[in-house]
Amino acid sequence: DTGVSQDPRHKITKRGQNVTFRCDPISEHNRLYWYRQTLGQGPEFLTYFQNEAQLEKSRLLSDRFSAERPKGSFSTLEIQRTEQGDSAMYLCASSTYSGTETQYFGPGTRLLVL
Amino acid sequence: AQSVAQPEDQVNVAEGNPLTVKCTYSVSGNPYLFWYVQYPNRGLQFLLKYITGDNLVKGSYGFEAEFNKSQTSFHLKKPSALVSDSALYFCAVRGQDGGYNKLIFGAGTRLAVHP
Repeated sequence: DTGVSQDPRHKITKRGQNVTFRCDPISEHNRLYWYRQTLGQGPEFLTYFQNEAQLEKSRLLSDRFSAERPKGSFSTLEIQRTEQGDSAMYLCASSTYSGTETQYFGPGTRLLVL
Repeated sequence: AQSVAQPEDQVNVAEGNPLTVKCTYSVSGNPYLFWYVQYPNRGLQFLLKYITGDNLVKGSYGFEAEFNKSQTSFHLKKPSALVSDSALYFCAVRGQDGGYNKLIFGAGTRLAVHP
């Protein structure tokens, strides 16, 4: 299966530490998205890349969050100085470039900040 | 602003009975609508989408959805529910007004299918 993969699947950290998550999209997909899902809610959009260019960022993405996609393949999402409110599931999705593309999601990284 | 509402937190149905999971949307133009399902400890799986054309859309695992423009609804249906359909279901609409590349999700509906 060559779906979207994410690593790690689970992360427990202490408040104030930095964490980094990785996403590997479906190989032929040039668009990559990050979402955040908190308990009892639907996913909320964070940011989106087309190839290596970060083209859109949500207001949810504070200065402590940074995302990269250096070679237009995998992406990383870093959270600096984590806070308890950052505890959530971080989902990555990818799609091809078209007007009606379907976003395919990875299994997510569940973050718990103590 | 675009939005999606899923009015039911949970839907209970007996195995073999038809099921409906409701979704209403608010957009300023023509909507692109999606349904996803989420099983425990797994990501969202795509079920189906409506872009244009026939109002009845067929998707994976026997699910279908009916687009109703006048009622701004996109309800998910299945003629005969299975216990294995028990999961969290999300309706989503593609963003507009400069946010074309994001999906806006509802809060989700938990479907419980009882044997």
